[in-house]
Amino acid sequence: NAGVTQTPKFQVLKTGQSMTLQCAQDMNHNSMYWYRQDPGMGLRLIYYSASEGTTDKGEVPNGYNVSRLNKREFSLRLESAAPSQTSVYFCASSEPGAHNEQFFGPGTRLTVL
Amino acid sequence: KNEVEQSPQNLTAQEGEFITINCSYSVGISALHWLQQHPGGGIVSLFMLSSGKKKHGRLIATINIQEKHSSLHITASHPRDSAVYICAVETGNQFYFGTGTSLTVIP
Repeated sequence: NAGVTQTPKFQVLKTGQSMTLQCAQDMNHNSMYWYRQDPGMGLRLIYYSASEGTTDKGEVPNGYNVSRLNKREFSLRLESAAPSQTSVYFCASSEPGAHNEQFFGPGTRLTVL
Repeated sequence: KNEVEQSPQNLTAQEGEFITINCSYSVGISALHWLQQHPGGGIVSLFMLSSGKKKHGRLIATINIQEKHSSLHITASHPRDSAVYICAVETGNQFYFGTGTSLTVIP
């Protein structure tokens, strides 16, 4: 099992460019999440999907859109990248219930110039 | 607003020392998680707690729901324990994270 995979691992964008970060999990989890991690701050939730076909805003959704393509895949799109979106992005998945352990992807390091 | 506060921010210990990392939170929670972030950036889940105490090897996690406080203990610390330890609280479908405690264990 690969667990949670993310692509790409690194990306450099110019201000105004768009891109999509891809995430996939092979654990048959219902819930998936996108976080950003910035120096001196904790992980912050951007969007989450409690189940296939549903998405909800987290703490910092502005400037992002998401798609829960199917149970396995949850993508994050930046329509018009800004320098403030320079960050490390983590995707995670979990199975809600008694053991809602989060499994994290390896992260995507994004720089917006 | 900081729903989750961790202390200390940084911690240096000699190999073999007993280590305690603290986490306080201000919201009602369904569970609390302790995570470990390796120097390479990967994040793994160590514990999920809703009450009491859990032990896994040299790691022990406790939670006091009434006081909204949790501790992560590492017994007989080892250089391979060097990492950032993150406390996270689960409220419904949302997770809130502390800023992490950076632990360095010196041989």
